[in-house]
Amino acid sequence: DIQMTQSPSSLSASVGDRVTITCRASQGIGNYVAWYQQKPGKAPKLLIYAASTLQSGVPSRFSGSGSGTDFTLTISSLQPEDVATYYCQKYNSVPKTFGQGTKVEIK
Amino acid sequence: QVQLQESGPGLVKPSETLSLTCTVSDGSISSYYWSWVRQPAGNGLEWIGRIYPSGSTNYNTSLKSRVTMSADTSKNQVSLKLSSVTAADTAVYYCASAYGDYAPFDYWGQGTLVTVSS
Repeated sequence: DIQMTQSPSSLSASVGDRVTITCRASQGIGNYVAWYQQKPGKAPKLLIYAASTLQSGVPSRFSGSGSGTDFTLTISSLQPEDVATYYCQKYNSVPKTFGQGTKVEIK
Repeated sequence: QVQLQESGPGLVKPSETLSLTCTVSDGSISSYYWSWVRQPAGNGLEWIGRIYPSGSTNYNTSLKSRVTMSADTSKNQVSLKLSSVTAADTAVYYCASAYGDYAPFDYWGQGTLVTVSS
């Protein structure tokens, strides 16, 4: 099975900072990567799919890039409401594996 | 938009079978792939498996021997059964939909906590 490795596992940044989270697949998966945001006590929410396509309603400060094995989620200007855990996921084939998650906090 | 609601016992005894139902509203289950995802407290997301209402299923190899998923199109529900549970199966269980075989999970239920304990 293809593994999805996220880094870092957690980060702390100031409001307005640019934040980058990476996800690496153990084999090439094209652009079949999604990013989810999960706030405490809530279900995950789809932010980005096809590696770089913003889901409807998601603020434009979120962006995604990458293809093959290396993917990135960027928050261009961190806001207090962005405090959450972020997960990448491969969805090209089963199993639909998630990364381990990156917890984002405000410094 | 599609709404999902998980339901089932919140407490299951060790060695017994966990049974959950996901009821879908404002959409037909026949149009989507339905996955179950679980999350132990303080941990990440684990994909359990999925069903397409035509009957096709795929399961995580780590759970395959204990998982059964089914769909009832007349009730617009999908179900999960996990047998021989242990404390390691204690988690929040989510159902989620994908509009295609190679599609992300665009709708999620709110999740339901299942605790395995005697």
